[in-house]
Amino acid sequence: SQQGEEDPQALSIQEGENATMNCSYKTSINNLQWYRQNSGRGLVHLILIRSNEREKHSGRLRVTLDTSKKSSSLLITASRAADTASYFCNLLYSSASKIIFGSGTRLSIRP
Amino acid sequence: DVKVTQSSRYLVKRTGEKVFLECVQDMDHENMFWYRQDPGLGLRLIYFSYDVKMKEKGDIPEGYSVSREKKERFSLILESASTNQTSMYLCASGRQRSSNQPQHFGDGTRLSIL
Repeated sequence: SQQGEEDPQALSIQEGENATMNCSYKTSINNLQWYRQNSGRGLVHLILIRSNEREKHSGRLRVTLDTSKKSSSLLITASRAADTASYFCNLLYSSASKIIFGSGTRLSIRP
Repeated sequence: DVKVTQSSRYLVKRTGEKVFLECVQDMDHENMFWYRQDPGLGLRLIYFSYDVKMKEKGDIPEGYSVSREKKERFSLILESASTNQTSMYLCASGRQRSSNQPQHFGDGTRLSIL
């Protein structure tokens, strides 16, 4: 399967802590993106990292990409209640021009 | 601000009905997409369109068709609705699918087929 796999499937942390979620994939990619989905809403684009990049930052978000391990991590620092959402990775596979969304990580922030 | 608008947030239909889901974007994007989202399965691509009157099948096109008569509008059609098509449907638009530019999503239509 070429499906992007996120782990963990669910994560519950205390407000203020850091949250890390991972995405693994099978074959080479052009780029990888992370999206957030609040309950009952559409997806919102967070950050894009290209295959020749290793790390990107956007505010409290830090994304890393390790092409040798075929994996990416999304780190949210100093979590807030508003970060409660599902997070999805999204990949474009180079070989098949196929765009894949993973099944997501549900993040809950406890007050 | 960019906007993708889906015509209904909630819709209830009966089996066998022909169902139309409408999506409009105001960003002059070439590409538009229809996904369905089911628990544990993530987003699955039904169809996408890269230009007016052009369409390509995604991963799960069976039981669906699409129409794109104008650049800003992309319609998903359930030819004869069945209960297994009960799902959340998400529309998205974006530029340059070949380089996977970010997609902009509507808020979804939660469709129930009784």
